[in-house]
Amino acid sequence: QKEVEQNSGPLSVPEGAIASLNCTYSDRGSQSFFWYRQYSGKSPELIMFIYSNGDKEDGRFTAQLNKASQYVSLLIRDSQPSDSATYLCAVNVYGGSQGNLIFGKGTKLSVKP
Amino acid sequence: DAGITQSPRHKVTETGTPVTLRCHQTENHRYMYWYRQDPGHGLRLIHYSYGVKDTDKGEVSDGYSVSRSKTEDFLLTLESATSSQTSVYFCAITQSGLMNTGELFFGEGSRLTVL
Repeated sequence: QKEVEQNSGPLSVPEGAIASLNCTYSDRGSQSFFWYRQYSGKSPELIMFIYSNGDKEDGRFTAQLNKASQYVSLLIRDSQPSDSATYLCAVNVYGGSQGNLIFGKGTKLSVKP
Repeated sequence: DAGITQSPRHKVTETGTPVTLRCHQTENHRYMYWYRQDPGHGLRLIHYSYGVKDTDKGEVSDGYSVSRSKTEDFLLTLESATSSQTSVYFCAITQSGLMNTGELFFGEGSRLTVL
């Protein structure tokens, strides 16, 4: 069974701090990695994707990928209360009946003013 | 905006009744998906479609059927609803035009309660 694991949280950080969200995956053949943000009662929205080892930065967000350790993370710098949401990690796998994309259960982030 | 509309947005029904959820898109996307989201399980794929009349099963397809007779509409049917199918259902499309690259755009969701 291919899996994507995330700490459920809640992760609480003060405003202006760096929030670090982590995700591990079981399929060594995975090639593509995604972070979705989901506000309470809303649908998920894609915020970052990363395909290569290393860091990818987009504004206040940085995705980090380490394929050897099967680990992907999302850093949010200068966290704002508006970043309070659940963050879903998703991994593109091959084979199986998942339509090639498996989601973690999400980490709930709370940014305190 | 990928122009996805789900209907109904909310529905309460009784065990054993049939239910159909509709996903409508306006931009001719080839790939469409139905997911369900439950506390403790995350998002799980029910069925997906890669064209008119072309569909395949996902991870949790038991108890569900789908149809796609037109590019713009992807229907999810629960033939005989059960309480375990109480969930939030999301339709999604792949904007890139490729098979589930992971870059999904989701509809607003349909909350279904089966009593």
